Amino acid sequence: NAGVTQTPKFRVLKTGQSMTLLCAQDMNHEYMYWYRQDPGMGLRLIHYSVGEGTTAKGEVPDGYNVSRLKKQNFLLGLESAAPSQTSVYFCASSYSRVTAFNQPQHFGDGTRLSIL
Amino acid sequence: AQSVTQLDSQVPVFEEAPVELRCNYSSSVSVYLFWYVQYPNQGLQLLLKYLSGSTLVKGINGFEAEFNKSQTSFHLRKPSVHISDTAEYFCAVSISGTYKYIFGTGTRLKVLA
Repeated sequence: NAGVTQTPKFRVLKTGQSMTLLCAQDMNHEYMYWYRQDPGMGLRLIHYSVGEGTTAKGEVPDGYNVSRLKKQNFLLGLESAAPSQTSVYFCASSYSRVTAFNQPQHFGDGTRLSIL
Repeated sequence: AQSVTQLDSQVPVFEEAPVELRCNYSSSVSVYLFWYVQYPNQGLQLLLKYLSGSTLVKGINGFEAEFNKSQTSFHLRKPSVHISDTAEYFCAVSISGTYKYIFGTGTRLKVLA
């Protein structure tokens, strides 16, 4: 059981380049999230999705785009990378809202991205 | 607005000593509470959760936490730590009926030999 899988694990980009981070989950979760983790700032939500074909902005969405064409996949795109986007990116998923209680999130191992 | 505060950014403790990692939250609506652990170069793993019922919850690796509604706290405790507990610990709240999760800034637990 793979859980949440993120690819790639590491990447170095030059300023202005674009790239896409892929997140895949095999738990049939409705909700998926993209966070960035920076020292001393905890996790900040970039974008999230409550179901296939739907996405919404989180706390720090500028410079990022997302797509959820299939329920199991959630893609994060950087259109024109900037040094301020150097960070560790985490994808997470959780159960549908139809459950009785809010369930914990399941996380991938992260993508370490450096923008030079 | 909801918020989560972890007052201690770093906590050093000797092996086999007890430890408490503090978490306070602010919310005007019902929340669910979680503690996650992050080992170096890994993602976050669920340590324990409070959804309802008994306010004392037990998690993996000998950790436990107590939900205190009046003090809006959810402190994490372990009676005797091991070197392998060295990691970063995050407290999080989930807002009832929403997609929203809010994380604290984390506490680095360093267990010393």
